Amino acid sequence: AQSVAQPEDQVNVAEGNPLTVKCTYSVSGNPYLFWYVQYPNRGLQFLLKYITGDNLVKGSYGFEAEFNKSQTSFHLKKPSALVSDSALYFCAVRDQAGTALIFGKGTTLSVSS
Amino acid sequence: DAGITQSPRHKVTETGTPVTLRCHQTENHRYMYWYRQDPGHGLRLIHYSYGVKDTDKGEVSDGYSVSRSKTEDFLLTLESATSSQTSVYFCAISESQGQSPLHFGNGTRLTVT
Repeated sequence: AQSVAQPEDQVNVAEGNPLTVKCTYSVSGNPYLFWYVQYPNRGLQFLLKYITGDNLVKGSYGFEAEFNKSQTSFHLKKPSALVSDSALYFCAVRDQAGTALIFGKGTTLSVSS
Repeated sequence: DAGITQSPRHKVTETGTPVTLRCHQTENHRYMYWYRQDPGHGLRLIHYSYGVKDTDKGEVSDGYSVSRSKTEDFLLTLESATSSQTSVYFCAISESQGQSPLHFGNGTRLTVT
């Protein structure tokens, strides 16, 4: 069965510092991996995805994610955090035969000025 | 937001009453999904559709039914609402399976009293 773990409920970082939001996954075969962001009272917005190829994936708003097959991880990163990055972040996985995405429980990112 | 409208945006209903939530898309995507979002659980799949009149159950389908009579509309019905169904419900669409991301509506906040 597919599953996603986001081990941190909350991540706190100062503006201008690098940020990392962690995600590990379990899936049969090769995974498709996704990151989403949710602002208050809004739906989830797609940030980036990993399909195959380069282990470093670049996405929207300066975010990137690093795929590590041996550690089954897909951590979200940004070199310099902004206060406006404060939001709820979700990691999701789909196996190659799957239809729906399986989501982690989410990590709240708080960026202080 | 990718041409997805959920209605109503908010609803309060009493235990035991039937409730129908509507999702309308203008993207002509084949796949449509209903998720619920609850604190500590992230997003969990209720039902999804892979075409007109083609639907399947997700992780938390008990107490819910769906219908899709047109490509653009996907209805979620709570047969007899219970307090445990108080949640935020999100509709999502995707063009295909595999690497295709989901795009989400802005959600319906349902309160069952």
